[in-house]
Amino acid sequence: QKEVEQNSGPLSVPEGAIASLNCTYSDRVSQSFFWYRQYSGKSPELIMSIYSNGDKEDGRFTAQLNKASQYVSLLIRDSQPSDSATYLCAVNAGKLIFGQGTTLQVKP
Amino acid sequence: EPEVTQTPSHQVTQMGQEVILRCVPISNHLYFYWYRQILGQKVEFLVSFYNNEISEKSEIFDDQFSVERPDGSNFTLKIRSTKLEDSAMYFCASSEVNWGGYGNTEAFFGQGTRLTVV
Repeated sequence: QKEVEQNSGPLSVPEGAIASLNCTYSDRVSQSFFWYRQYSGKSPELIMSIYSNGDKEDGRFTAQLNKASQYVSLLIRDSQPSDSATYLCAVNAGKLIFGQGTTLQVKP
Repeated sequence: EPEVTQTPSHQVTQMGQEVILRCVPISNHLYFYWYRQILGQKVEFLVSFYNNEISEKSEIFDDQFSVERPDGSNFTLKIRSTKLEDSAMYFCASSEVNWGGYGNTEAFFGQGTRLTVV
């Protein structure tokens, strides 16, 4: 059974701080990793993809991948109240397998 | 910007009735998917579709479910005899490629159809 694990949270950070979201996965064959943001009642919105070990930066977002440790993370710098949402880690193992999501609360 | 569109946004149906959920994937994408999310739970894979046939399906996707690409643009999910436990958000997604190969494996989701079975 291929699994993606995330801490459900909530993770609460003050505005302007760095939010760190973590994810582990079980399938060693996986090659593509994604972070989606989901606001309540809405669909998942792709915010980052990462395919190689190391860091990938896009604006305030940095995705980190360590295939040896089967670990993916997302850092959000200068967190804003509008970043408050559930962040879904997804792993492509022939189809997307989602974690249960981490709820992020950014407090003004 | 290209997007995946789904209709209807909300469907209420009586138990035992058939429903068809519709999706228009992004035009140059070749892989299509249906996912569902029961309230408060994780997004779950139902089925993937490529080249006019099912590539993979989950154990959730039993004989009550079917998918079809009736024309060059639409992709549908049919639930033949709905049950109360089918109540969920159903998301359609599409991607250029799926697994390895060349091209972008990023999958983009439609806004979802909220199915309520009463």
